[in-house]
Amino acid sequence: NAGVMQNPRHLVRRRGQEARLRCSPMKGHSHVYWYRQLPEEGLKFMVYLQKENIIDESGMPKERFSAEFPKEGPSILRIQQVVRGDSAAYFCASSPAGGFGYTFGSGTRLTVV
Amino acid sequence: QKEVEQNSGPLSVPEGAIASLNCTYSDRGSQSFFWYRQYSGKSPELIMSIYSNGDKEDGRFTAQLNKASQYVSLLIRDSQPSDSATYLCAVNLMNSGNTPLVFGKGTRLSVIA
Repeated sequence: NAGVMQNPRHLVRRRGQEARLRCSPMKGHSHVYWYRQLPEEGLKFMVYLQKENIIDESGMPKERFSAEFPKEGPSILRIQQVVRGDSAAYFCASSPAGGFGYTFGSGTRLTVV
Repeated sequence: QKEVEQNSGPLSVPEGAIASLNCTYSDRGSQSFFWYRQYSGKSPELIMSIYSNGDKEDGRFTAQLNKASQYVSLLIRDSQPSDSATYLCAVNLMNSGNTPLVFGKGTRLSVIA
């Protein structure tokens, strides 16, 4: 079991470009959660998805950010027209149906220059 | 507004001592509680979960929950330098699993050899 896989581990984008972050949940896990962590800050919830459905996106900024979890393939967090304030570590976590607690991926560190 | 509060630290303890980490939460309906450990530059790792009032022990770790006081703590016995990390408290409102966890900002623990 390879665990929760995130890629890329590090991503550098210029202001105005798009960033695509990928997350493959653990085998048997059907629930995916995206969190953002700024330096010296805690984990902030962004969005919760199941296959082909967004369950809760209350933590996602209304503009420029979107997420999907298609029937086939990884979950994608997409940030359009990135700004310096988007620089952060983005963590994906997964859990099985009815499960408590998450398993986190290794994260994607986004740097906007 | 669900909030989870932790003292940011750093909490410094000598090797072999007991480290006590505390967490309070605002939502009285919270049902599930988790402690994650996060080493610098790494992803959070689940170390303890607790759902009922009282103590739960796992090796050198003991989680304590008091729902009336809205308080959860983590004790680390015989602290080791390898325990030096940030400890994140997380709370789940629902008792059904698969709902987003709310995280505190974490307490930085330093175990001095």
